[in-house]
Amino acid sequence: DIQLTQSPSFLSASVGDRVTITCRASQGISSYLAWYQQKPGKAPKLLIYAASTLQSGVPSRFSGSGSGTEFTLTISSLQPEDFATYYCQQLNSYPRTFGPGTKVDIK
Amino acid sequence: QVQLVQSGSELKKPGASVKVSCKASGYTFTSYAMNWVRQAPGQGLEWMGWINTNTGNPTYAQGFTGRFVFSLDTSVSTAYLQISSLKAEDTAVYYCARGGFHFDPWGQGTLVTVSS
Repeated sequence: DIQLTQSPSFLSASVGDRVTITCRASQGISSYLAWYQQKPGKAPKLLIYAASTLQSGVPSRFSGSGSGTEFTLTISSLQPEDFATYYCQQLNSYPRTFGPGTKVDIK
Repeated sequence: QVQLVQSGSELKKPGASVKVSCKASGYTFTSYAMNWVRQAPGQGLEWMGWINTNTGNPTYAQGFTGRFVFSLDTSVSTAYLQISSLKAEDTAVYYCARGGFHFDPWGQGTLVTVSS
């Protein structure tokens, strides 16, 4: 199975900050990576797929990059509604594993 | 609009069974795979497997074989997750999610609580 790690696990930031989350895969997954945002008590929401394609309706302050084994999710200017937990997911092979999550909290 | 609507919360005793439904609307049900994802309290997301909505063929992740069954009723565009012989550790929110190479949309989640 492909394992995903995320760093950091927890991030404290202020409104307006630039935030970067890293996801690393235990083996190459090409660009088969998605990013999701989850707020407490809510279902995950797709932000980015195919490593860098912004899902329709998602603000352009979110961006994704990377291929192979290292990927990043960047929020260019953190907004109050962005405080949430972010998960990466690989879709290169089965099982479709998720990373452990990165919680973004208010500083 | 495309949406998945799941059935409501369940409280079950150990050893009982539960069946969670996921009703799709706004798209052709048989054109997309359906996945199931578990989230235990305070924990991350765990992919349980998927079902081919064309053939009805399910694929289960390791750890979700035996007591877990995915099924469909294509006449009402609905996917089902049945869990038998429930244990306390099955307490979680269960999500359905459409798609093969990215999951979108997701159902709102169904909380299954197993307690005596």
